[in-house]
Amino acid sequence: DTGVSQNPRHKITKRGQNVTFRCDPISEHNRLYWYRQTLGQGPEFLTYFQNEAQLEKSRLLSDRFSAERPKGSFSTLEIQRTEQGDSAMYLCASSPAEGYGYTFGSGTRLTVV
Amino acid sequence: AQSVTQLGSHVSVSEGALVLLRCNYSSSVPPYLFWYVQYPNQGLQLLLKYTTGATLVKGINGFEAEFKKSETSFHLTKPSAHMSDAAEYFCAVSLLFQGAQKLVFGQGTRLTINP
Repeated sequence: DTGVSQNPRHKITKRGQNVTFRCDPISEHNRLYWYRQTLGQGPEFLTYFQNEAQLEKSRLLSDRFSAERPKGSFSTLEIQRTEQGDSAMYLCASSPAEGYGYTFGSGTRLTVV
Repeated sequence: AQSVTQLGSHVSVSEGALVLLRCNYSSSVPPYLFWYVQYPNQGLQLLLKYTTGATLVKGINGFEAEFKKSETSFHLTKPSAHMSDAAEYFCAVSLLFQGAQKLVFGQGTRLTINP
């Protein structure tokens, strides 16, 4: 069990550029979640996958955001035409089919300049 | 709808003193409750969780929390603070949906330990 891995750890991008983050969950976990955490706030739910199916998306996930989980393994979160308001820590978490509580990754900190 | 309120965005205690971080929740169904800790530039680590059963829950690093339904509270305590406890702490309530869990977090409490 190597934990949940997120890459990159930090990303600085210019406004208007596209960015993509990757999350590798714990291998036996079929559920994968994305959260966003802005400075001084608790994480907020963005989206959830069960295997490869995206089952729920938050209203926070505008049309510029898209997430995928091909083959039910790793997941990617893409932000198109980034805005300064997108600057945040993006957290990925995974959980098994049974039990409660997630395992979070270390996050990707995005700074849009 | 589920929600969480953490009373006090900053708490400062002396090393060796009692740590008390307050969390109140709102839930229309029996809640599942969690405390997570976050160190700078890190993800969240689960400290402890309450699902069913014993209302006093023990977690890692000497922390414990007590679920009090009558007070809708789930306060986090540690008898003796250590310098390494300095971090951000988040209380969360679980909302079940589509067979999985969505966590609703409080705004967090930053714990500072004074030498």
